[in-house]
Formats: sequence, structure tokens, C-alpha cells
Amino acid sequence: DAKTTQPNSMESNEEEPVHLPCNHSTISGTDYIHWYRQLPSQGPEYVIHGLTSNVNNRMASLAIAEDRKSSTLILHRATLRDAAVYYCILLSGAGSYQLTFGKGTKLSVIP
Amino acid sequence: EAGVAQSPRYKIIEKRQSVAFWCNPISGHATLYWYQQILGQGPKLLIQFQNNGVVDDSQLPKDRFSAERLKGVDSTLKIQPAKLEDSAVYLCASSPSMTDTQYFGPGTRLTVL
Repeated sequence: DAKTTQPNSMESNEEEPVHLPCNHSTISGTDYIHWYRQLPSQGPEYVIHGLTSNVNNRMASLAIAEDRKSSTLILHRATLRDAAVYYCILLSGAGSYQLTFGKGTKLSVIP
Repeated sequence: EAGVAQSPRYKIIEKRQSVAFWCNPISGHATLYWYQQILGQGPKLLIQFQNNGVVDDSQLPKDRFSAERLKGVDSTLKIQPAKLEDSAVYLCASSPSMTDTQYFGPGTRLTVL
């Protein structure tokens, strides 16, 4: 599976937007970009995924660069409940569809 | 809809003892996964089931770890004998099929002394 690079940690003020970056320079044409997050003492939960176009759902937005070598998860208004580790994962549309987690980005939200 | 259930939530054992974890996936989910998450790291896949068959167990330390999903629903993961390095959170996840979103349980935190 292609690898991703994320910052180890980020901070945000409550009620402000947060942009979580992910680099995936070796992404292939069939790789989907998935984001999961893990709240403290819980299992990971799905956030959003996309292939080429930007995506929006009730939790977040995903902005994908035109060359697909990077993407950004956008939380429009961070709340204290958004404090979590965010994982950017590439899943091959032609492969086994297994999640390979890196260390992710630990997001802290400041009241 | 009920989520993925796991028990126990916490377990403390001495090294060389055995331990078993139980997972009840979301009803109707054909695919079940067990992950190991060591402190400070992301989860690592141990084994994947499709119904009651093993799809991938390439990262399962088979000399001490075993898992089964006999009736294609509940699953158990066993460690025998446990080592200090097995201290971790063991997560179970399920999905409707192998290409669907995975839903994770709360995990079992294992401490081996």
C-alpha cells in the first residue's frame, strides 16, 4: 500500500476551522484517500473518503489536490469533541481494501 | 443500530498466562477484523475474516495467537502464552463486505505483567 505523511500534532482553537494535511506522493490512480479518526479510549471511526473530487459530508470536507499527491481534511468549526488522532489512509480500489494505519495527527482543541 | 461489542474492556494478566477476547460484530456484517494497537501507534491488522473463513492472517503471530469465527458471527481472539510485548489494545471491527467502511468496537486493553 502507498504511504502517507502527516504532521505528528496540531492545535486549534475551539470554533475555528482546522486544516489537517496529508502527503501521499506515491499514490496510484486507483487509490482512494480515506480519513478515520480515533477519539480517546475509543476505536477509530470513519470520517470521509474521496478519489479525485472534493467531498463534503456532515462531519468534514476533503480537499484533494489536482495531482492527487496531497489532500486536506477540513473541520469547519472545531469542537472539543473533535480532539482525536486523525489518520489519512490510502486504499487501493483494486486491492484487498485493508486499512494500514500510520501514526496519524493528534489534534488538540483549545477552549 | 447497535455497534461492535467487545469484552472484556480491560484485562491484566501475568506473562505466560493465556487470555481470550470476544467480539460481536454489527448484525449482518460479513467481514470481521482484529487489530492490535500498541501505545502511541496506529492499529495493526492481525486477521481478517469473511463470514467464517480467514481472508488474511499474514500478520498474526501464529505461534501464540489464534482466532476463530465459527458460525460467521461472533469471534474470539486468544493469546497463549502471553508475553510482555503483547500489552496493547485489541480492536475488533466489522463491515458489510470487504470493500465497505469498517466500524470499530471500543477495544480491549490488555496489560501483561
